[in-house]
Amino acid sequence: AQTVTQSQPEMSVQEAETVTLSCTYDTSESDYYLFWYKQPPSRQMILVIRQEAYKQQNATENRFSVNFQKAAKSFSLKISDSQLGDAAMYFCAYRSAPNYGGSQGNLIFGKGTKLSVKP
Amino acid sequence: NAGVTQTPKFQVLKTGQSMTLQCAQDMNHNSMYWYRQDPGMGLRLIYYSASEGTTDKGEVPNGYNVSRLNKREFSLRLESAAPSQTSVYFCASRGPTRNSPLHFGNGTRLTVT
Repeated sequence: AQTVTQSQPEMSVQEAETVTLSCTYDTSESDYYLFWYKQPPSRQMILVIRQEAYKQQNATENRFSVNFQKAAKSFSLKISDSQLGDAAMYFCAYRSAPNYGGSQGNLIFGKGTKLSVKP
Repeated sequence: NAGVTQTPKFQVLKTGQSMTLQCAQDMNHNSMYWYRQDPGMGLRLIYYSASEGTTDKGEVPNGYNVSRLNKREFSLRLESAAPSQTSVYFCASRGPTRNSPLHFGNGTRLTVT
């Protein structure tokens, strides 16, 4: 079974600085997808960024980028120019490719990292 | 564009009571999911439905039942609530393409006393 590990329960960053959130996963599959979701105090789950395992290029969305190391099974999230609105729980998630081994596309989540942003 | 709508937002139950959490999506998605979120545990899959008329157990299905009423609606029922079911419940749906993310509702905070 696949597992996702976020080893940093809490992180803190100064406004305008850069922070990196760690995520590792365990799988024997070669085709899969990785996601980062943000959960602010409002409780809403917001997709931040996604990565397809067969793509070597790291995904980027504005101030958010990932460092995807497939061999190391690592998928870290870098937030540049941190803003107060970035304060939230961040969840890393794994999904098998649809129909791979019976997968129906559900996500396997890490336990989350709580990010605080200091003004 | 409503996306995924969950009701209610909050609920308090006494042990042994029953209730149904409602979920509807307007994105014409086939796949729908129910997760629970507990402190320090991330989100764990309770049940999912790959298409109308089918449902399957996830990681933590005990104490729950689901119904995929039609393509839009996927409900979660607690027949006899227990304090261990105190949690935040999320419904989600997913589009058909390979890299489609999950779209989540805003969650239901359930407290069982």
